[in-house]
Amino acid sequence: QSALTQPASVSGSPGQSIAISCTGTSSDVGAYNYVSWYQQHPGKAPKLMIYDVTNRPSEVSNRFSGSKSGNTASLTISGLQAEDEADYYCNSYTTSSTYIFGTGTKVTVL
Amino acid sequence: EVQLVESGGGLVQPGGSLRLPCAASGFTFSNYWIHWVRQAPGKGLVWVSRIKYDGVTTNYADFVKGRFTISRDSAKNTVHLEMNNLRAEDTAVYYCVRGAMGFYYFDYWGQGTLVTVSS
Repeated sequence: QSALTQPASVSGSPGQSIAISCTGTSSDVGAYNYVSWYQQHPGKAPKLMIYDVTNRPSEVSNRFSGSKSGNTASLTISGLQAEDEADYYCNSYTTSSTYIFGTGTKVTVL
Repeated sequence: EVQLVESGGGLVQPGGSLRLPCAASGFTFSNYWIHWVRQAPGKGLVWVSRIKYDGVTTNYADFVKGRFTISRDSAKNTVHLEMNNLRAEDTAVYYCVRGAMGFYYFDYWGQGTLVTVSS
């Protein structure tokens, strides 16, 4: 498997909630609770948003939350804001002691 | 302040080699895994390799095994990515990334260095 599967794009209006899925296999997402999510604005380095499936760094807004069921993890953004428009990537540790990123999702705020 | 500064990028011909240094500062270098992640122009993030704080344990993505070598110099707080037999598809921004201590995520990223493989 070359990458975890994410939707190419998700959009929503300000104030709405959106969810981004991240589907892997029993060798990565389903194997451990080591899924993290990263936000990337154009021309910038990625920023950690969620780690260990559900944990949020203190500097990240509580509008961001994570979950997992089986081989699929999800990132939910509540109260969508213009500044949330960016690319989002999931990542998982694997049973081969490597890491794998998702294909990436472009979030558009309408 | 944690800093990871990559250098060494540039234009290289197919089949050529390049060595990317990553200079780390602002933290106890000997306590952390260091990773390389790359991003081709307009494409997604791809994990490449990592090296443990012991300087011995390493892991690689399948597509670079046998071509790339990661190493670290604890005296200089530097990690290197040696890239050989480069292909056009290796063209990307290469990020040096710190692995969070005791966890399986990335907490600090460098600004990246661009490697272009073209004749």
